[in-house]
Amino acid sequence: AQKVTQAQTEISVVEKEDVTLDCVYETRDTTYYLFWYKQPPSGELVFLIRRNSFDEQNEISGRYSWNFQKSTSSFNFTITASQVVDSAVYFCALSETSGTYKYIFGTGTRLKVLA
Amino acid sequence: NAGVTQTPKFRILKIGQSMTLQCTQDMNHNYMYWYRQDPGMGLKLIYYSVGAGITDKGEVPNGYNVSRSTTEDFPLRLELAAPSQTSVYFCATRQGGGSNQPQHFGDGTRLSIL
Repeated sequence: AQKVTQAQTEISVVEKEDVTLDCVYETRDTTYYLFWYKQPPSGELVFLIRRNSFDEQNEISGRYSWNFQKSTSSFNFTITASQVVDSAVYFCALSETSGTYKYIFGTGTRLKVLA
Repeated sequence: NAGVTQTPKFRILKIGQSMTLQCTQDMNHNYMYWYRQDPGMGLKLIYYSVGAGITDKGEVPNGYNVSRSTTEDFPLRLELAAPSQTSVYFCATRQGGGSNQPQHFGDGTRLSIL
C-alpha cells in the first residue's frame, strides 16, 4: 500500500532560522512522482515542486531546496532564512502512476515562523 | 485566469439536508478530483474522474455522489448530510499526459453540518 508520512506535526522557528520539513513515503511502484504543496492561513493549496522517482537531482529555488533520496524513501524540504510569510501547513504527496494519478497525501506539517 | 472555481465558499447545513458542491474549470483538463480535509489531517480522495462520462470512487466515497457530464464541471452531491461530513472540500484538476503534471486546486468549500 502507498503511504506518505510527515512525522513533524508542528514546527516553530524564529525568523531567519533554517528549517527542514521531512517526508517519508512507501510505494511498490518503480516509477512514481512526489509533490510538495503549501497551504497558507488563507486555505488554498499552492503547488511548490514535483520530483520524478528516476531523477534524484536535488533542487534549489531561491530560499527553498529539496532533497530527494530514493535509498531512504525521503523527499525533504528546506527553507533557508525563514520568513514570517513562510508560516503555513506544508503537504507532501505521492502520485499514483496507474493512469488515475491520484494523490496520497501526508498529514502535513504546520510551520510557524515567529518574528 | 479563473482556473478551478468552487462554489459556495462556505455553507452550513442541517443534518439530513442535501446539497451540491460545484466545481468548474476552464483549463480543459481531463482529470478532476474531489478531496476532503479534516482538521489536522491530510486530504483524502472522495471521487475522481479521468474524463467526461467517467467517474470512480476514491478512499472515502460513502455519503457522496458525483457526475461528470462535461469536461468543465464535476459537482459533488451530499444526499443526507451528517455531522461526520463537516470538512473542507477541495476540487482539483490535472492535465492529461505527462505523469509528472501537478494537480491544481480550487480554493475550497468549508462545510458545516449541524
